[in-house]
Amino acid sequence: GQNIDQPTEMTATEGAIVQINCTYQTSGFNGLFWYQQHAGEAPTFLSYNVLDGLEEKGRFSSFLSRSKGYSYLLLKELQMKDSASYLCAVADSNYQLIWGAGTKLIIKP
Amino acid sequence: IAGITQAPTSQILAAGRRMTLRCTQDMRHNAMYWYRQDLGLGLRLIHYSNTAGTTGKGEVPDGYSVSRANTDDFPLTLASAVPSQTSVYFCASSAGDSTEAFFGQGTRLTVV
Repeated sequence: GQNIDQPTEMTATEGAIVQINCTYQTSGFNGLFWYQQHAGEAPTFLSYNVLDGLEEKGRFSSFLSRSKGYSYLLLKELQMKDSASYLCAVADSNYQLIWGAGTKLIIKP
Repeated sequence: IAGITQAPTSQILAAGRRMTLRCTQDMRHNAMYWYRQDLGLGLRLIHYSNTAGTTGKGEVPDGYSVSRANTDDFPLTLASAVPSQTSVYFCASSAGDSTEAFFGQGTRLTVV
């Protein structure tokens, strides 16, 4: 079966760095997405990785290792507004997105 | 403002009733999707459409139907609602394979 695993919840301190991991087992791979979802709102796109390595976009970076079925989202200089759920999704061989359950990130002052 | 719009934003529905959730996008995206999101579970695909005139079944299609008469609209119909269909429903669209999806604001549906 297809499976995306990510931690259910993480806590970090304002101004710090946090890494959210995602491991996947899917039938085929056509890219990995990270989305941010604030409580009661729609998911919004953060990043896309299809090749191994690190993609940096401001305070957010995303890493992919296809051989390990592994990705992480790195958030630097955490702000209170970063409190949200972070969703990992993989496009399978049919380009259908398989979603993880999301990681709820709690930022403390 | 370009984007994707869902209606209604919330609804309480009696079991057994028929209900259509509306979704409209103005980005001229080919692909559209309906997901449900339940606590502790990832987004689960109900139905999708890769282009106007075609639809396909996702992971959890039972009890739901869709149509795609044109590029912009992708309504989701519950023929006879059941309490297990209580969920938050998101419509999304994308330009194509492996491109970012844009989500509507969601419809919170409660079936009693």
